[in-house]
Amino acid sequence: DGGITQSPKYLFRKEGQNVTLSCEQNLNHDAMYWYRQDPGQGLRLIYYSQIVNDFQKGDIAEGYSVSREKKESFPLTVTSAQKNPTAFYLCASSVAGPTYGYTFGSGTRLTVV
Amino acid sequence: SQKIEQNSEALNIQEGKTATLTCNYTNYSPAYLQWYRQDPGRGPVFLLLIRENEKEKRKERLKVTFDTTLKQSLFHITASQPADSATYLCALDFGGFKTIFGAGTRLFVKA
Repeated sequence: DGGITQSPKYLFRKEGQNVTLSCEQNLNHDAMYWYRQDPGQGLRLIYYSQIVNDFQKGDIAEGYSVSREKKESFPLTVTSAQKNPTAFYLCASSVAGPTYGYTFGSGTRLTVV
Repeated sequence: SQKIEQNSEALNIQEGKTATLTCNYTNYSPAYLQWYRQDPGRGPVFLLLIRENEKEKRKERLKVTFDTTLKQSLFHITASQPADSATYLCALDFGGFKTIFGAGTRLFVKA
């Protein structure tokens, strides 16, 4: 079955540590996205990528970095510069833009300890 | 200011009734509006998309309306079932890669 796989499901980060969240898709979608979800708030866009080797900042990119070396993969690194990283992180993909709806992964819950 | 609002209070209904969820927005002119279902601890699942020139769209027990004058979308689930209990998100789609998500409304369907 085609879909998006995020790992790990739960992640704990110590202060000052960088962590990387994995996102892999086998849907052959060109566009991939990272969203952050906090309680009581809508999803907020961190980064998106339209094609391999290209990505754009979203609304809350500070303290995050991404890469898109392969069409299937779009990892997100939460750096120590992100002061409030505890959140639910969602990876998504779509067919050349979101007009046909996003396909989301099952999410990674990141907690600072 | 630009806002997208969904009722933050949970909606509780009896099984078999029609659930109606509301999505209101101000100072936006979206090209499309999307609805998603999200279960606890899971990613959202795409349900329906309606275009700005469409008044209504249906899919099985789901119906979505889109009134660009009122800046409102209504999402209906007919003959609701306990399995429909979830959080429902609306999203304004401006084409390209810009989408604004609402915070969602929690629906509880009681047997």
